[in-house]
Amino acid sequence: DAGVTQSPTHLIKTRGQHVTLRCSPISGHKSVSWYQQVLGQGPQFIFQYYEKEERGRGNFPDRFSARQFPNYSSELNVNALLLGDSALYLCASSLEEASIRKLGNEQFFGPGTRLTVL
Amino acid sequence: AQSVTQLGSHVSVSEGALVLLRCNYSSSVPPYLFWYVQYPNQGLQLLLKYTSAATLVKGINGFEAEFKKSETSFHLTKPSAHMSDAAEYFCAVSDHGATNKLIFGTGTLLAVQP
Repeated sequence: DAGVTQSPTHLIKTRGQHVTLRCSPISGHKSVSWYQQVLGQGPQFIFQYYEKEERGRGNFPDRFSARQFPNYSSELNVNALLLGDSALYLCASSLEEASIRKLGNEQFFGPGTRLTVL
Repeated sequence: AQSVTQLGSHVSVSEGALVLLRCNYSSSVPPYLFWYVQYPNQGLQLLLKYTSAATLVKGINGFEAEFKKSETSFHLTKPSAHMSDAAEYFCAVSDHGATNKLIFGTGTLLAVQP
């Protein structure tokens, strides 16, 4: 069974440009989360989506947006790129949202998209 | 708010030696704790998780971790290091809010010397 897939694997953009990153969750998983991992740091939570609705947002500017599609795949969009947006962007999927008392529900991570902003 | 602190950004051990990676947590409610491993240029793989069942948790690849409430710790251990264990290890706590977002530590890079 395929795991979480992300595309593209690598991306180079210049400041001010826009980028779209894509994620396909594990079959049957309805929740998708996005994380940003800057070099030398742990991943930081950006968004969580469940059943196409935003369930949580981390401390990121409005330049960051996301959406989830009916097939549960997801896109992360970043506008007006800054040098500081250079990072590994990780997508994770899980079966259910925490609000239905499945706390501790495991998240499965994809390989990530390495974004470099020049 | 939940948080985790990983002590030691770099740890080096000899092949066959004990591996000990430290993680301390802060949480106002019983925490759900995780250890993930990240190999170069890859995503995160779950090693093990604690969800308030047994305090000694066994994971994949021979790793285990013990939840100690009195010490607010969840240290990761492996009796005998293998060269293939060289990677970065992240401790994480699950948020108890509306999402199950993970709050990660800064990571510990494990080097295994022959």
